[in-house]
Amino acid sequence: TQLLEQSPQFLSIQEGENLTVYCNSSSVFSSLQWYRQEPGEGPVLLVTVVTGGEVKKLKRLTFQFGDARKDSSLHITAAQTGDTGLYLCAGARSNYQLIWGAGTKLIIKP
Amino acid sequence: KAGVTQTPRYLIKTRGQQVTLSCSPISGHRSVSWYQQTPGQGLQFLFEYFSETQRNKGNFPGRFSGRQFSNSRSEMNVSTLELGDSALYLCASSLGPGEGGNEQFFGPGTRLTVL
Repeated sequence: TQLLEQSPQFLSIQEGENLTVYCNSSSVFSSLQWYRQEPGEGPVLLVTVVTGGEVKKLKRLTFQFGDARKDSSLHITAAQTGDTGLYLCAGARSNYQLIWGAGTKLIIKP
Repeated sequence: KAGVTQTPRYLIKTRGQQVTLSCSPISGHRSVSWYQQTPGQGLQFLFEYFSETQRNKGNFPGRFSGRQFSNSRSEMNVSTLELGDSALYLCASSLGPGEGGNEQFFGPGTRLTVL
């Protein structure tokens, strides 16, 4: 069974701090997606990374795909209260089926 | 472009009953996936439909079923409800296998409570 492990499961930090969330697997993915989900809503796609070593930036969020396409990280600089939410990663298999991580619940305190 | 819509948003049922949830995908999207989300188990994949055919299926009992219509709209049905079926049921649409990397666009979900 392909697993996608996210860490940490829970993170609570002060506004202004930096943080990194990890998504790791022993399997190779053709691409990896990051989503953010706010309470009472469905997840919203943030970014898709496709190439090994790829780095994508979305304002204060930096996403990186590992060279071997087995892992990914999400780094948030100077976190804001609006970053609070559940962050989910999903890896795409060669048949395009998605394997989902369990999520990282992030709370940014003012 | 309108997003994914799900109806109803909230539902309360009792054990043993059955329920049908509906999902309308984004216009032009041909693939619909269903997920169950609970605090303890996270996001669990139920099934994916493309061109009215079930393309992938998660590890759920046969009480969970679904279908897709020719206009890509989808329904999922849960029969003989159990207390453990209480969850947020999310529908997501995508362009289709191999298109757009299977990026998922989620609806707001249906919150099902089984008493």
